[in-house]
Amino acid sequence: DTGVSQDPRHKITKRGQNVTFRCDPISEHNRLYWYRQTLGQGPEFLTYFQNEAQLEKSRLLSDRFSAERPKGSFSTLEIQRTEQGDSAMYLCASSLSGVNTEAFFGQGTRLTVV
Amino acid sequence: GQNIDQPTEMTATEGAIVQINCTYQTSGFNGLFWYQQHAGEAPTFLSYNVLDGLEEKGRFSSFLSRSKGYSYLLLKELQMKDSASYLCAVSRSNDYKLSFGAGTTVTVRA
Repeated sequence: DTGVSQDPRHKITKRGQNVTFRCDPISEHNRLYWYRQTLGQGPEFLTYFQNEAQLEKSRLLSDRFSAERPKGSFSTLEIQRTEQGDSAMYLCASSLSGVNTEAFFGQGTRLTVV
Repeated sequence: GQNIDQPTEMTATEGAIVQINCTYQTSGFNGLFWYQQHAGEAPTFLSYNVLDGLEEKGRFSSFLSRSKGYSYLLLKELQMKDSASYLCAVSRSNDYKLSFGAGTTVTVRA
């Protein structure tokens, strides 16, 4: 296993377009997280899955954002009607169950909305 | 809510020691994590503390005081490759996500 992988690594889109990102977690990890990171800031939590169930969504995740993990393996994050403020690095992480388990991050998808 | 504070930037010389402080105010605190992030790359796990005291891992050590809401990451024998952002993150009981500070950018100079 090569770790958490994300696709694409970079995405440039016009304002108003929809975009979808994919995350493939480490295979035995049942927890999957999405974070957003802007320059000079730490990652901000967006949403979290335990297997296929989406257990928590941040208030940062507006109605334009939706995430799925249909079979409890890979996950997708879709942003509809993108805005310039959506420009950021979108990071995916996965971990095993349990308290204080280490989260492994993917390389991220850098989104630029023009 | 969470309030996690760490310095924005620190500079040190190769071979020296640097201490990055992190203070937090978190209800239901459970544990504190440190991650390293090189520019344009993913955060990578360095250490975590659940109990008070010092955890040592080679050149890196992390300390936690739960009563003071305080942690530090100590980097010894600094190398140029240690130039990176260091992120402090807390977890809460029954809440599996991590909440991150803004990160401390460490620059190691020759």
